[in-house]
Amino acid sequence: KNEVEQSPQNLTAQEGEFITINCSYSVGISALHWLQQHPGGGIVSLFMLSSGKKKHGRLIATINIQEKHSSLHITASHPRDSAVYICAVPAFYNTDKLIFGTGTRLQVFP
Amino acid sequence: DAGITQSPRHKVTETGTPVTLRCHQTENHRYMYWYRQDPGHGLRLIHYSYGVKDTDKGEVSDGYSVSRSKTEDFLLTLESATSSQTSVYFCAISGPRDSPYGYTFGSGTRLTVV
Repeated sequence: KNEVEQSPQNLTAQEGEFITINCSYSVGISALHWLQQHPGGGIVSLFMLSSGKKKHGRLIATINIQEKHSSLHITASHPRDSAVYICAVPAFYNTDKLIFGTGTRLQVFP
Repeated sequence: DAGITQSPRHKVTETGTPVTLRCHQTENHRYMYWYRQDPGHGLRLIHYSYGVKDTDKGEVSDGYSVSRSKTEDFLLTLESATSSQTSVYFCAISGPRDSPYGYTFGSGTRLTVV
């Protein structure tokens, strides 16, 4: 069964800073998910990726399958980026059931 | 997001009473999931469904049951609510593997058992 770890648990940044959040997993996967959850809010899927890099606006997600590692980057961070960012991977290879990290709480100050 | 709704959004109930949470989707997706979210834990899978009348247990299924009589509805029932079931419950659906995001989550139900 897969295990997933995120780092850091908490992150504080000034507006405009470049942010990196890391995710490591233990078992080979078909795809990795990055999710965002605002305080008191619902959960939004940001990316699902199986190789390489994906970009959406100021968000960039990368994955290294050999290293079993993914990063989520936020360029030119803004206070509205303040949220919990969650990494999720399949519990077993090629299953739709996910295992979730405990999340990285990001606070961006003006 | 439109396409998946949960009801109720908030509920307070007494210990020992049955509670049913509803998840409704309009995406015609095959897979549906119920998760609970608690401080210090990642989202944990309670039950999931891979089609009408096809359900299976997740990692924290004790004290919960589910039913799926239609593609669009997935019900989660707490047979006799306990304080340990105070949590935020999320429903999710997963679409085809070639879709860009894979998973869509409902807005959550905050359940308090007193």
